[in-house]
Amino acid sequence: KNQVEQSPQSLIILEGKNCTLQCNYTVSPFSNLRWYKQDTGRGPVSLTIMTFSENTKSNGRYTATLDADTKQSSLHITASQLSDSASYICVVSGSGGYQKVTFGIGTKLQVIP
Amino acid sequence: KAGVTQTPRYLIKTRGQQVTLSCSPISGHRSVSWYQQTPGQGLQFLFEYFSETQRNKGNFPGRFSGRQFSNSRSEMNVSTLELGDSALYLCASSSGQRTSGTTDTQYFGPGTRLTVL
Repeated sequence: KNQVEQSPQSLIILEGKNCTLQCNYTVSPFSNLRWYKQDTGRGPVSLTIMTFSENTKSNGRYTATLDADTKQSSLHITASQLSDSASYICVVSGSGGYQKVTFGIGTKLQVIP
Repeated sequence: KAGVTQTPRYLIKTRGQQVTLSCSPISGHRSVSWYQQTPGQGLQFLFEYFSETQRNKGNFPGRFSGRQFSNSRSEMNVSTLELGDSALYLCASSSGQRTSGTTDTQYFGPGTRLTVL
């Protein structure tokens, strides 16, 4: 069964600190992996998307890495800001269309002053 | 460009009723996907429409249906509502031009919060 597991489930960090969120998946065959940010009461917003051949992708203070061999991805947030408080969702697509899109439950990040 | 809009934003229904949710995609986008989001299950894919045709479907019962109009606007209908249908329903639009549809960047709307009593 295709699964996407994210850790930690929730995280509280001080403003200005860095943090790393993890995503492990079992989706196979693999097509791509995306990270989304979802603010409370809003729809998810795409941060990065990586295919099999890409092992890192940056979007401002967000850097995603991918190890397709170990089926792991991480999202690193640098110099966190209060506006980074949100849920971060890892989404893995397998070959074959939407039938094989698997979503993680998400990591809820709270940045405090 | 205007973003994805969904109406209504909030809805309260009782068990057994039916509901219709609406989604207007970004101008020029031909693909609209629908998702159900609950705290325990996360985001789950319902179905995708492309050029008025259902192109992909998730594992939801037949009570969940949808359609897409010639202007790419989409509606989702849920009949015979159950308590477990309470969720945030999100739609996302994309160009949909790639065959598989899975590598398009999707742009999500704000969602419709459905509460079933």
